[in-house]
Amino acid sequence: ETGVTQTPRHLVMGMTNKKSLKCEQHLGHNAMYWYKQSAKKPLELMFVYSLEERVENNSVPSRFSPECPNSSHLFLHLHTLQPEDSALYLCASSHEYGGAYNEQFFGPGTRLTVL
Amino acid sequence: GQNIDQPTEMTATEGAIVQINCTYQTSGFNGLFWYQQHAGEAPTFLSYNVLDGLEEKGRFSSFLSRSKGYSYLLLKELQMKDSASYLCAVMDSNYQLIWGAGTKLIIKP
Repeated sequence: ETGVTQTPRHLVMGMTNKKSLKCEQHLGHNAMYWYKQSAKKPLELMFVYSLEERVENNSVPSRFSPECPNSSHLFLHLHTLQPEDSALYLCASSHEYGGAYNEQFFGPGTRLTVL
Repeated sequence: GQNIDQPTEMTATEGAIVQINCTYQTSGFNGLFWYQQHAGEAPTFLSYNVLDGLEEKGRFSSFLSRSKGYSYLLLKELQMKDSASYLCAVMDSNYQLIWGAGTKLIIKP
């Protein structure tokens, strides 16, 4: 039990679909993250929220749209994706954003396949 | 640019010792993390080093040399359940985590 949950665990979608990924953390943390993990590549940071405000957006295409309605929930809205967007999408949380020794706790990820 | 290098894959025998190396070039340094990730599961925290030297935690130890931009994760008395990917990540001067691509460790009986 990691304290960070993600749904769905697996998602197959067409290029014209709209879907959303959900993340919830039960750790009382103030920062939440979305990462993309592709095979044999480093984790790519997509978005960071601190106290429900977006603090990082690392040149992510607009077809990915994050939403953080409160400090416990994070969404990633997907629309008109491309096949190269197929990957494992990981959500993480930490006590705070910035500062040394800021251990991140990860959810199990959503395996996304775009057809 | 910022870069983290670690071997793509390693193989070791059950009961043996294995050392996974990580070298880094980053803009500043605020600590180095090791995470373990089993296939299809979340990465889980193993260790954090910010000062030079060896940190021991049970069968796992992590070493850091800041002057050499180098760390290793040492796993002793290997068990089959240690088969996983091991991710090295460095926190830079902006407190951003820079990740390596991970080392897939295969344990054979």
